[in-house]
Amino acid sequence: SAVISQKPSRDICQRGTSLTIQCQVDSQVTMMFWYRQQPGQSLTLIATANQGSEATYESGFVIDKFPISRPNLTFSTLTVSNMSPEDSSIYLCSVEGQAYEQYFGPGTRLTVT
Amino acid sequence: DAKTTQPPSMDCAEGRAANLPCNHSTISGNEYVYWYRQIHSQGPQYIIHGLKNNETNEMASLIITEDRKSSTLILPHATLRDTAVYYCIVKGRSNQFYFGTGTSLTVIP
Repeated sequence: SAVISQKPSRDICQRGTSLTIQCQVDSQVTMMFWYRQQPGQSLTLIATANQGSEATYESGFVIDKFPISRPNLTFSTLTVSNMSPEDSSIYLCSVEGQAYEQYFGPGTRLTVT
Repeated sequence: DAKTTQPPSMDCAEGRAANLPCNHSTISGNEYVYWYRQIHSQGPQYIIHGLKNNETNEMASLIITEDRKSSTLILPHATLRDTAVYYCIVKGRSNQFYFGTGTSLTVIP
């Protein structure tokens, strides 16, 4: 299994600002994913990020709001832009394993005031 | 990918086996069943997966019915640390996981 770290672990931000979340993996992986978990809810997939290509976004998520970078096989960033209180969530990254399972990072807890 | 149905909550006595059911009646032949758990807002933890044969690892056993329309995750000797939300996910060749609402398991002392 992969070891995944995320930065920051938590943040409190003002509305209208942006936050960039980093995801670092201890091995090279092709597929990385970003999820959002709103308070009391299940996980919702935001986008799939492959190295060397543009991220693929799920319905309801757009690149202008959640731009993603994937500069190499061990790193990705998700930016939450022009934040509002509705963006308060836990944001998680994951990577795909050899049996198509996924391994998740610890999450970034974001509060927007 | 096929949809799954799980009971919203279950209790289990500490030391007893926890049997968590999942219905996936629309599963197709090339779709796998994956189980994850999430302990209080931590990142989900991979438990086990299978296609049609029963599987066992150090964490749990996965029993898939012969028609593959349902499965059961078994934690053989539940401990308090097994209290979590358990997710059953069916996934085909697409890479994406789509999480349902899961089962909140409470292990009671």
